[in-house]
Amino acid sequence: NAGVMQNPRHLVRRRGQEARLRCSPMKGHSHVYWYRQLPEEGLKFMVYLQKENIIDESGMPKERFSAEFPKEGPSILRIQQVVRGDSAAYFCASSPSLGGQETQYFGPGTRLLVL
Amino acid sequence: RKEVEQDPGPFNVPEGATVAFNCTYSNSASQSFFWYRQDCRKEPKLLMSVYSSGNEDGRFTAQLNRASQYISLLIRDSKLSDSATYLCVVNRESNSGYALNFGKGTSLLVTP
Repeated sequence: NAGVMQNPRHLVRRRGQEARLRCSPMKGHSHVYWYRQLPEEGLKFMVYLQKENIIDESGMPKERFSAEFPKEGPSILRIQQVVRGDSAAYFCASSPSLGGQETQYFGPGTRLLVL
Repeated sequence: RKEVEQDPGPFNVPEGATVAFNCTYSNSASQSFFWYRQDCRKEPKLLMSVYSSGNEDGRFTAQLNRASQYISLLIRDSKLSDSATYLCVVNRESNSGYALNFGKGTSLLVTP
């Protein structure tokens, strides 16, 4: 059973470009979480999605950032008009569609560098 | 006050030593507590959940004090492979799932 997959693993963008980060959850998992880790900082929650629904986006910046988890295909975190402060590691985690406390399994992350 | 606070370290200890990490959290309504381990430039990996009664997994012991909002991790007989950053993690206050709040982590270096 493959783990959480993220691509690309590394992404370089110039200021003003768009960044698209993809996350494929573990097989059978329908809950996806995105976290951001700035240099020398802890992971910060951004958004929680289930298939075709954004459940909680309270941690996501109001502008330039969006996320989706379509019925088919990976979850996408999209950053428009990137700025240098967006440079960070972006981790996706997934958990199964069970009730109660669920362990989150993390992908290897996408490291975004904005020049 | 930060939601989850940890001593950043670094903790430099010799092999075989016992080392303890502490963590405090601000939300008294938190229900789920974890320790994760993160190696350099890697993803966080679950080390262990933390239960009110305390729990042990091999050389690792976790304790929770809800009254003090305090969590600890004890590592006995440290190995070189224990060198990593240890993240204290608490569930976010939310009615929408189990998103997590992470501390900044405590860095451990075990030396020969």
